[in-house]
Amino acid sequence: QKEVEQDPGPLSVPEGAIVSLNCTYSNSAFQYFMWYRQYSRKGPELLMYTYSSGNKEDGRFTAQVDKSSKYISLFIRDSQPSDSATYLCAMDSNYQLIWGAGTKLIIKP
Amino acid sequence: GAVVSQHPSWVICKSGTSVKIECRSLDFQATTMFWYRQFPKQSLMLMATSNEGSKATYEQGVEKDKFLINHASLTLSTLTVTSAHPEDSSFYICSASHPTDSGNTIYFGEGSWLTVV
Repeated sequence: QKEVEQDPGPLSVPEGAIVSLNCTYSNSAFQYFMWYRQYSRKGPELLMYTYSSGNKEDGRFTAQVDKSSKYISLFIRDSQPSDSATYLCAMDSNYQLIWGAGTKLIIKP
Repeated sequence: GAVVSQHPSWVICKSGTSVKIECRSLDFQATTMFWYRQFPKQSLMLMATSNEGSKATYEQGVEKDKFLINHASLTLSTLTVTSAHPEDSSFYICSASHPTDSGNTIYFGEGSWLTVV
């Protein structure tokens, strides 16, 4: 079993829909949770990071962490075609960074 | 936010030659930097972890004599692909660890496309 599980997709939704991207993990030592967006042929871009359980909002993006269930989510409201990219979750415990495989998201105009 | 700059963004080299890629943290000191490679439609693969002033720690299966990593200062790490072959053609990405009060945030460079011909 991988330490971090993430559905590779692709996930295809119409423009304007609410998108939910998820990762599960098995290591309860993870303390720091990050979401990255990667466009084709570009380096990953940090979208959000959270430290504790709960929600963190930034514009159209909301990151949610549920440590009791070992489950994290990234919600995108009012999705746009420009949101089409691969979204990767990453988790940090004492300098050890573990990555999800990435979910390819396609927003259809 | 913190910025990590990677150079060059793309490079073409002949088989058998060496090529160096630089990774700089522009507005913070990074004691730890990471090097990844990514093949098309695949996720990032960690190659090595580089700590300033010490030898890099390579992941299993990564040839340390082929992929030379130097972290000479707190703002610069370099990856040198020695005796490059076409199968080394890939997207190479660096990242730098930015310590905060609640943990380490990782910031990525823009990536470097290497094509070996």
